[in-house]
Formats: sequence, C-alpha cells, structure tokens
Amino acid sequence: AQKITQTQPGMFVQEKEAVTLDCTYDTSDQSYGLFWYKQPSSGEMIFLIYQGSYDEQNATEGRYSLNFQKARKSANLVISASQLGDSAMYFCAMRHAGNNRKLIWGLGTSLAVNP
Amino acid sequence: DAGITQSPRYKITETGRQVTLMCHQTWSHSYMFWYRQDLGHGLRLIYYSAAADITDKGEVPDGYVVSRSKTENFPLTLESATRSQTSVYFCASSGTSGAHYEQYFGPGTRLTVT
Repeated sequence: AQKITQTQPGMFVQEKEAVTLDCTYDTSDQSYGLFWYKQPSSGEMIFLIYQGSYDEQNATEGRYSLNFQKARKSANLVISASQLGDSAMYFCAMRHAGNNRKLIWGLGTSLAVNP
Repeated sequence: DAGITQSPRYKITETGRQVTLMCHQTWSHSYMFWYRQDLGHGLRLIYYSAAADITDKGEVPDGYVVSRSKTENFPLTLESATRSQTSVYFCASSGTSGAHYEQYFGPGTRLTVT
C-alpha cells in the first residue's frame, strides 16, 4: 500500500542550528514525486520543496534541502540555520504518476525552534 | 487578487443544516481538491476534480457533495451537517503554473457544527 510515515510527532531545535525531519514512503511504483509543505500556526499550507524519483541530485531551495535516499525510501527534509519563523508543522506527501495529481500525506512533524 | 481563496473563513452551523464552502482560484488550474484537516488524521482528501464537470471521490466523501461548472470554482456542500464534520477545510489547486504541478492551498475554512 502507498503510505507516508513521519515518525517524529515533535522536534526541537536551537535557533541557527540545522534540523532533519524524517519521511519514509512506501510504494512499488518507479515514477513518483515527494513534496514537503509547511503549516505555520496561522494555518496556511506552504509548498517548500519537491523531489522527483528520477532526479539524480537532491533538491535544494534556499535553506531547505531534501536528503533523498531512494533505496531506503526516505526523503528527509533538512532545514539549515533554523530561524524562529521555522516553527511550524511540516508535512511530507507523495504523488504517483498518473494519479490525477492526488497526494498521499503523512501526519506531520511539529517543529519548535528555541531562541 | 490572484491566487486561491476560500469563503467563509469561519462558519458555525447547526446539525442538520446545509452549508456550502466556496473555493475560487485565478490561475485556471485544471485540478482542484478539497481536504479536511483534523488532529491526529492529517489531511484527508474529500473530493477532487480534474477539470470542469469532472469530479471524483477521495478518501472521505460521505456527507459531502461537490460541483465544478466553471474551472475557477469548486464549491463543497455539506448536505446535512453533523458534528463529526467539524473541521478545518482546505481547498487546493494544481496546474501548469507550478513547476512540479504542486498543489497550492487556500487559507482554509474553520467549520464548527453544533
């Protein structure tokens, strides 16, 4: 069954340090995409970063990078130099090719950045 | 304004009443989605639409109805609201304006059924 697992319900990090949020996925398909979204306390869902299953390089977007390990079926989000504004829920999601762009979502990880 | 909007942002209704949540996007995205978000359940897909007049059920469609007569609008109707439908509802859209066809979300509607 297709599934996304985020094993860390809550995480803490000191300001300016790096943090890794875990995401593992289960699929038998070869073509898929992985997404990370941020949901601050204000409630909106913000797209952060995308990794395609055929991408050879790990995706990066500013302070966000994706540690993609295809054989282990993991797509961990790395946030470098954490800022107070990074405190939020983070969701990992997966989309399969030909799946009408539907996403399968993890339950999220709550990140708190301490000053 | 460009983007995806939802109305109302907050709604309190009584059990048994019909309520419609509106979603409007200005990108002409072909795909639109309705989710509900509840503590412990993450985001669950209610209905989605691949184009005008094409809709399909998601994971939790019971008690909900959708329509899509125009590309830009995707209203969600609770035919007879129940307390279990108290939730935050998000509308999202996906199209060619996103490099990876990522979903863009509206601000959400917080619905309380009393």
